[in-house]
Amino acid sequence: AQRVTQPEKLLSVFKGAPVELKCNYSYSGSPELFWYVQYSRQRLQLLLRHISRESIKGFTADLNKGETSFHLKKPFAQEEDSAMYYCAHPAGNKLTFGGGTRVLVKP
Amino acid sequence: DTGVSQNPRHKITKRGQNVTFRCDPISEHNRLYWYRQTLGQGPEFLTYFQNEAQLEKSRLLSDRFSAERPKGSFSTLEIQRTEQGDSAMYLCASGRDRGPQLGYTFGSGTRLTVV
Repeated sequence: AQRVTQPEKLLSVFKGAPVELKCNYSYSGSPELFWYVQYSRQRLQLLLRHISRESIKGFTADLNKGETSFHLKKPFAQEEDSAMYYCAHPAGNKLTFGGGTRVLVKP
Repeated sequence: DTGVSQNPRHKITKRGQNVTFRCDPISEHNRLYWYRQTLGQGPEFLTYFQNEAQLEKSRLLSDRFSAERPKGSFSTLEIQRTEQGDSAMYLCASGRDRGPQLGYTFGSGTRLTVV
């Protein structure tokens, strides 16, 4: 079965420090991957997509096929980045999500 | 258009009762999805509709669960004879015809608590 794994349940960093959220996938084909974010009391929303190679809110994510990873990075974390982050990839007609990583950015 | 709307936001019910949730998708989206999210987990796929046709159901969707989208617009998810294990956040999402590759839009969810 296609799986998405986020090994860290919680990441706690200080404001201004770099943050990296790990995501590993098991998929034999060419993957399409997403990062979703859920801020406190808000709905789940798309942060960025692998295929668009974009940077949103200072976050980037690089697909590493050799390591089957799609880690999310930001060089200087801000307090407003505190949220739940989910890595996801399409499996047929649905998205398969990882278990999520809670990011806490301390002042 | 204010996005994907779900009602109610919260539902507390006694074990054994039936509950029904409603989802109103973005109007131009013909795909509609239901997901379930339990504490500490990512969303898990339940079922999806393209227009009024229910095209896929997860094995998580036991025979106590039924979903409809009668006119290809809003959808309902009914749980019969609720159990405590049904307590979760039920998320609805809608998307365009090209499916999840574009990333779809989620509603705020309905939180179900079975006591």
